[in-house]
Amino acid sequence: KAGVTQTPRYLIKTRGQQVTLSCSPISGHRSVSWYQQTPGQGLQFLFEYFSETQRNKGNFPGRFSGRQFSNSRSEMNVSTLELGDSALYLCASSLAVSGSLSYNEQFFGPGTRLTVL
Amino acid sequence: GQQVMQIPQYQHVQEGEDFTTYCNSSTTLSNIQWYKQRPGGHPVFLIQLVKSGEVKKQKRLTFQFGEAKKNSSLHITATQTTDVGTYFCAGPNYGGSQGNLIFGKGTKLSVKP
Repeated sequence: KAGVTQTPRYLIKTRGQQVTLSCSPISGHRSVSWYQQTPGQGLQFLFEYFSETQRNKGNFPGRFSGRQFSNSRSEMNVSTLELGDSALYLCASSLAVSGSLSYNEQFFGPGTRLTVL
Repeated sequence: GQQVMQIPQYQHVQEGEDFTTYCNSSTTLSNIQWYKQRPGGHPVFLIQLVKSGEVKKQKRLTFQFGEAKKNSSLHITATQTTDVGTYFCAGPNYGGSQGNLIFGKGTKLSVKP
């Protein structure tokens, strides 16, 4: 089974620009979560999508948004980039079914390394 | 807000020595997960603990979930150079869904051959 894929793997942008990152989950996984990883803050939850609906959103400004398509692929968008948005953006998928602790494990993709200049 | 704390932040050991990382949550957790991230890699799921007082072993790795379900530990016996990486614990965000995890800051393990 193919793992979680993320594109692009690396991005360099300048302040004020916007960026779209893509994530393809493992086949059959309907839950897709996004995390931001930085050396200072560690792994921080951005949002989670399940069956095209946002189930949860982390404590990030509205410049961070996402969506999920009917094939479970997900995109996240960051508008008006700031220097502090430089980070590794990780996507994770799981079989997670609401109300069950089974199939909870998160399968992470390789990440997109975003550098904002 | 809800927090998951991990100590130590760094651990340097000689190959063959044991290693332990501790995780404490500010709230009771329904479950706790452990992940390993190799340098330059992404987090990889190791295990999930669900029951109070649960202990699980994977070869040289032993995972424990506290009786109050607020703390957990990972112990590695006789470390090897392949154990190098950062170990994270993560718990579900209170009131959130399963895909909404709060991660500890991780313990970075280095192993000297």
